[in-house]
Amino acid sequence: NAGVTQTPKFQVLKTGQSMTLQCAQDMNHEYMSWYRQDPGMGLRLIHYSVGAGITDQGEVPNGYNVSRSTTEDFPLRLLSAAPSQTSVYFCASSSARQGRSYEQYFGPGTRLTVT
Amino acid sequence: GDSVTQMEGPVTLSEEAFLTINCTYTATGYPSLFWYVQYPGEGLQLLLKATKADDKGSNKGFEATYRKETTSFHLEKGSVQVSDSAVYFCALTDDYKLSFGAGTTVTVRA
Repeated sequence: NAGVTQTPKFQVLKTGQSMTLQCAQDMNHEYMSWYRQDPGMGLRLIHYSVGAGITDQGEVPNGYNVSRSTTEDFPLRLLSAAPSQTSVYFCASSSARQGRSYEQYFGPGTRLTVT
Repeated sequence: GDSVTQMEGPVTLSEEAFLTINCTYTATGYPSLFWYVQYPGEGLQLLLKATKADDKGSNKGFEATYRKETTSFHLEKGSVQVSDSAVYFCALTDDYKLSFGAGTTVTVRA
């Protein structure tokens, strides 16, 4: 099992550019989420999905789009990059089969800089 | 909504010192509680968890007890090592969405 994989590891964008951060998991987890990590703020939920074809907004969704066409993949799209989106992005997955623990498995992260 | 308040850092300790990181939470339901650790340059790893009141999670010498009466989940380790230097996050979930504390940076000096 590769677990949760993310690409790219690093990315530099200019303001106004768009791009897609890729996330994939091979654990057949129903739930997938995107978080951003900023200094002193912990991780904040951007978008999440409870299954293929179902997505919803988290705490900080503005400027981001997601889709979930398969169980395995959950890409995050930046529509028009802004310097405020400079952050480290983490994808995570979990399964209701774990019961109440809802343990989430995290990818290695993508460090994004917007200039 | 649900939230987590975590002791601010940074925390600097000598090897073999006792570590405690305070974490309190606010939740309307009965959440599961977690401590995640992030080593330099890496993603988050689950350190320990507790799913109901009075449960004690433990791993790698770290412990935390789910205290419903004080809404707390403090992390403790009796004798830290240099390899414990990392950022520690307290988190809770009542479903599949995690709410995180701000993180505490711990540096252990030899």
